[in-house]
Amino acid sequence: EAQVTQNPRYLITVTGKKLTVTCSQNMNHEYMSWYRQDPGLGLRQIYYSMNVEVTDKGDVPEGYKVSRKEKRNFPLILESPSPNQTSLYFCASSLRTDLGEQYFGPGTRLTVT
Amino acid sequence: AQSVAQPEDQVNVAEGNPLTVKCTYSVSGNPYLFWYVQYPNRGLQFLLKYITGDNLVKGSYGFEAEFNKSQTSFHLKKPSALVSDSALYFCAVRDVNSGTYKYIFGTGTRLKVLA
Repeated sequence: EAQVTQNPRYLITVTGKKLTVTCSQNMNHEYMSWYRQDPGLGLRQIYYSMNVEVTDKGDVPEGYKVSRKEKRNFPLILESPSPNQTSLYFCASSLRTDLGEQYFGPGTRLTVT
Repeated sequence: AQSVAQPEDQVNVAEGNPLTVKCTYSVSGNPYLFWYVQYPNRGLQFLLKYITGDNLVKGSYGFEAEFNKSQTSFHLKKPSALVSDSALYFCAVRDVNSGTYKYIFGTGTRLKVLA
């Protein structure tokens, strides 16, 4: 089944403890992206990747890192999480960078205490 | 800078009536426009997009949207609403001429279809 998977789905952690949220797609998609969803703010793009080893900042990249070493994987790294990073995170992918139609993962609910 | 506005937090409509969910955008170049739907506890699902060509685009589940360049709008419509259409709807834009592949999403509109 064609899909975008994220792990973990739920995570509660403490301030400052490094964490990684994994994202993987099995559709050979070129473009991958991370978003956070917060009430009243909608979705905001954190980082995106146009292909392997090519990444760029979205609107809210502060406090996050990404890497794209393989086409299928696009992990999101929080090196020192803070409570304001408590959010619902979505990974998405698109067949081609210029097409725009994105397929979203199921989401990861992160709580930082 | 790119931006998207969804002026209504919630839209209520009776089942069988037509529905409209509004979206306006601001880009300096040409827009690629999208609508997505989010059901409870799920990720977003793509509904339709405008890239170029016909201003009226048709998408999944009987939804359509009209691109209006002069009003910088891309409203989502459906002729006859179903209770199962109740969900959170997001409009998104990319500025094709920005030199980036960044997407801006609106804050979302909750659609409630009443039986």
